[in-house]
Amino acid sequence: GAGVSQTPSNKVTEKGKYVELRCDPISGHTALYWYRQSLGQGPEFLIYFQGTGAADDSGLPNDRFFAVRPEGSVSTLKIQRTERGDSAVYLCASSLTGVLWNEQFFGPGTRLTVL
Amino acid sequence: QKEVEQNSGPLSVPEGAIASLNCTYSDRGSQSFFWYRQYSGKSPELIMSIYSNGDKEDGRFTAQLNKASQYVSLLIRDSQPSDSATYLCAVNIDGGATNKLIFGTGTLLAVQP
Repeated sequence: GAGVSQTPSNKVTEKGKYVELRCDPISGHTALYWYRQSLGQGPEFLIYFQGTGAADDSGLPNDRFFAVRPEGSVSTLKIQRTERGDSAVYLCASSLTGVLWNEQFFGPGTRLTVL
Repeated sequence: QKEVEQNSGPLSVPEGAIASLNCTYSDRGSQSFFWYRQYSGKSPELIMSIYSNGDKEDGRFTAQLNKASQYVSLLIRDSQPSDSATYLCAVNIDGGATNKLIFGTGTLLAVQP
């Protein structure tokens, strides 16, 4: 079946602008995660959804970052007033359920560049 | 101390040899452990998961977990040039209270033909 999909694959924006990144999880997966990865680093957790609710948003760096998953499937990560330090690859992952041993599968990522 | 530590490498092995990748973690309550492979410019791809002490084998890959010593390793037998990538160790920290994964910085493996 289809894997996790993310759009756009690349996004270039100017400092101060608003961006939205979209993630479509594997069909039937109830848990969805957002991570971001900077060059030379491992992915860094941002937020975890179980169904429609954010079960853990402890990784969001500040209130400029917000994510939603209104129908328990597609999720959107929203970044307001972008800063150059937000430049990274934003990765979405999904797992069958939120049970701790459930394997997480990643999408191809969105490369965000803030000029 | 970082929560998940890996040697950044590069680890260089000749084709056909065994590559051994190691990872240590800080939280004794951690219960699930994963190895991801990441090719340059691509996203992480899950290759192994392990939850119990001991070895778990899948084809040319063997994951080893030792919770008492807080380390997890990945062995790649008969290494191929196509195995050249960064290998990321990921741990579910917080004893399962949250489902987030904490990643190491990855070990770059280079398999020489």
